[in-house]
Amino acid sequence: GENVEQHPSTLSVQEGDSAVIKCTYSDSASNYFPWYKQELGKGPQLIIDIRSNVGEKKDQRIAVTLNKTAKHFSLHITETQPEDSAVYFCAAFSGGSYIPTFGRGTSLIVHP
Amino acid sequence: DVKVTQSSRYLVKRTGEKVFLECVQDMDHENMFWYRQDPGLGLRLIYFSYDVKMKEKGDIPEGYSVSREKKERFSLILESASTNQTSMYLCASSPPGQGHGYTFGSGTRLTVV
Repeated sequence: GENVEQHPSTLSVQEGDSAVIKCTYSDSASNYFPWYKQELGKGPQLIIDIRSNVGEKKDQRIAVTLNKTAKHFSLHITETQPEDSAVYFCAAFSGGSYIPTFGRGTSLIVHP
Repeated sequence: DVKVTQSSRYLVKRTGEKVFLECVQDMDHENMFWYRQDPGLGLRLIYFSYDVKMKEKGDIPEGYSVSREKKERFSLILESASTNQTSMYLCASSPPGQGHGYTFGSGTRLTVV
């Protein structure tokens, strides 16, 4: 089955810096990769996603890149703000499966 | 705004009690899921359902059961709660097909004393 590894587990940055979180996956048939943000005491919310036929996608200060050859995808947050502090999860859906495999999460702390 | 609603945000139960966690979605989704979330362990799938009255075990079904009598409602049942079931429980739902539209509820923090 699919295996998703996420790094780092904790990331501490200063406000205004960039943050990058990386996930690697094992199943070359995986073709959909969402990212979720979970604020304290809340459920995860989708913030951006990418399909395997696309190499990069941007939405304002966040972007996701996908390298199918190396089987990794990354979340990039620019100009970080304190409200970006949260736990971020990556996920991968294998071809034909409706059940995601999640990474273990990254706790992002943005210091004012 | 589409929603997955979990009936309780916080719940405290005693060891040995039968506990029901309720989840309702208003998106007409076929698939529904229950996860538990523990520090350092990420999200672990307990049970899922792809249709009314259908259920499948996830990675950690022991000590849990589920019920799906209506499409919009998926219940997680702890037959005899134990302290090691203290956790954050998350419900999710998704449409048929793959991936897009996977939506989480806000979670239920269960404490078993």
